[in-house]
Formats: sequence, structure tokens, C-alpha cells
Amino acid sequence: RKEVEQDPGPFNVPEGATVAFNCTYSNSASQSFFWYRQDCRKEPKLLMSVYSSGNEDGRFTAQLNRASQYISLLIRDSKLSDSATYLCVVNIRNDYKLSFGAGTTVTVRA
Amino acid sequence: DAGVIQSPRHEVTEMGQEVTLRCKPISGHNSLFWYRQTMMRGLELLIYFNNNVPIDDSGMPEDRFSAKMPNASFSTLKIQPSEPRDSAVYFCASSLWGDTQYFGPGTRLTVL
Repeated sequence: RKEVEQDPGPFNVPEGATVAFNCTYSNSASQSFFWYRQDCRKEPKLLMSVYSSGNEDGRFTAQLNRASQYISLLIRDSKLSDSATYLCVVNIRNDYKLSFGAGTTVTVRA
Repeated sequence: DAGVIQSPRHEVTEMGQEVTLRCKPISGHNSLFWYRQTMMRGLELLIYFNNNVPIDDSGMPEDRFSAKMPNASFSTLKIQPSEPRDSAVYFCASSLWGDTQYFGPGTRLTVL
């Protein structure tokens, strides 16, 4: 079983729509979770950390479900500029090593 | 503030040649990571340094790959000899205490 698994998508949504997707992780003891965004031919960039109680950053909402070992990302009022690959990232063993999911591709169309 | 700096941004070389990739981490960060990204395998951690000391090189594919960090502001990843299957994007990332990592723009390597 992979340490971090994501639905690869692609999710094709119109501007203004809401899109949400999940990621599962293998170690129930993991403590640190992140969403990174990667644009085509660019480096991954931190989008947001994911906290136990859930957190929002503008149009982006991240949730953590420890019982089911998944995290989610919801994007409200999608913009064309939200088109990217979203990487689920987990510090699986609570050390220095981050485990990256393969990414979920989101395409927002006009 | 300057982010992680990598050079070169693109490298095209022939099989058998030596390739050296360079990285300057964010000032003050004490952890440095080298990753490789391909369509088939995604992001793979090659090696991790903490306070300039290699801590985990289990991801280095084989002896053709080597990495050094002579000081807190510079690291190199060397491939000698290079092979076509080494073609990938190589990212350097740095962090403070190994949690949130900040990536450089990457080096796109093509080995012919």
C-alpha cells in the first residue's frame, strides 16, 4: 500500500464551481499534513498546512479525518488560476521525510 | 527574500557525461533535500542533509549519484556517468527543522 494515495483526477470544473478531493495516508500516527500546489513545469509550492480542527485560507478549506485517515481539500468559487496539480503531503513517520501523493489535477474552464 | 536557488535550470547532455546540479538553500534553513520527479514515479527523495551532514541517502539510485554539502549555503548533486534514464526534473528543497519544505525551481535534465 502506498503511504499517500490520491485520486489523480482530472477534475474539470467551470469557473465559479466548487471542487473537492481527498487523500488517504497509511500511518494513523502521522501528525503533519500539507497541501502543495504544482503548476505545469514548475516547482511544488506550499498551499496550506492542515490542522486537526480543519482550516480555511480564503477560498480553500482543508479538513483532516484521523479516524478514516484522510485529508481533503475544497476549493470554492474556482478561478482559472486554480488550474494546477494539488499534492497531498504527509509527514508519515513524524521525522524529516515528507511523503508526497502523486497529485490530483484540477482544470478550471471558462 | 530569495528562495531556494538552483542551477542550471536546464541541462542537456550525452550519455556517459558527468552532470553537476547546484543548490543554494534559503538562508537560515538547516535541512536540505534533493528530489527527482518523473511522470512515472512522481517525486522521489534522493538524499537529505541536516546541518550539512547527510542523514539519509537511501533514495540515491546507485553509485553513479553523489551529493555533497560543503557548507550551509551550497549543495551539489553529481551524476557520473549519466544515463538516459536519469532524465528528470531535479528539485532541491530546504526547511527549518525538516517540516515545511520550500522548493527551488528545479533543473530539467535530459540525457541523450
